[in-house]
Amino acid sequence: EIVMTQSPLSLSVTPGQPASISCKSSQSLLRSDGKTYLYWYLQRPGQSPQLIISEVSSRFSGVPDRFSGSGSGTDFTLKISRVEAEDVGIYYCMEGKYDWTFGQGTKVEIK
Amino acid sequence: QVQLVQSGAEVRKPGSSVKVSCKASAGTFNSYPISWVRQAPGQGLEWMGGIVPVFGRADYAPKFQGRVTITADASTSTAYMEMSNLTSDNTAVYYCVRGLDFWGQGTPVTVSS
Repeated sequence: EIVMTQSPLSLSVTPGQPASISCKSSQSLLRSDGKTYLYWYLQRPGQSPQLIISEVSSRFSGVPDRFSGSGSGTDFTLKISRVEAEDVGIYYCMEGKYDWTFGQGTKVEIK
Repeated sequence: QVQLVQSGAEVRKPGSSVKVSCKASAGTFNSYPISWVRQAPGQGLEWMGGIVPVFGRADYAPKFQGRVTITADASTSTAYMEMSNLTSDNTAVYYCVRGLDFWGQGTPVTVSS
């Protein structure tokens, strides 16, 4: 069973400041096709989750470029260069190499 | 733009079953996987299983194997998730997801005597 571990579990950020979330998987997410199956979702309050980053670093359609993803193998990071009020919510990493396993979530709020 | 419209909130008694539907409003239905994810109150996201309608065979997370049945009807572009022998632990919002990027609005299921 694969385990996805996020840190921190909560983050309070001043608008305009950067934020960073770490996600570690218990097994490598690199598949034989050369792709790494790590995704990031944002769940805003009262809404369904929405995809923001796919395959480690590809921003989904319409996602602002202040969001970026990086990492490889088992260690991954989501960065927001300048947090805005609309970025509030819970961020989940998810592995898609095996089945789908989500991290515990990181709650981001504005100071 | 694909939209996934799920059936409405359900209230069930322990030991009963529930069937949630997920209808795709547009776009290709058959060839994309449809997954089901649940979220217990105040908790995170948990994958339950999924199906690729054109193949018809569903895969399940081990903890749901035997208690959840996922099916799809290509003629109506609708996927279903049925859960049996409900307990209060199954109280959650259940989401369908097409591929990785299109999520339904969620269906709250409450299990209470």
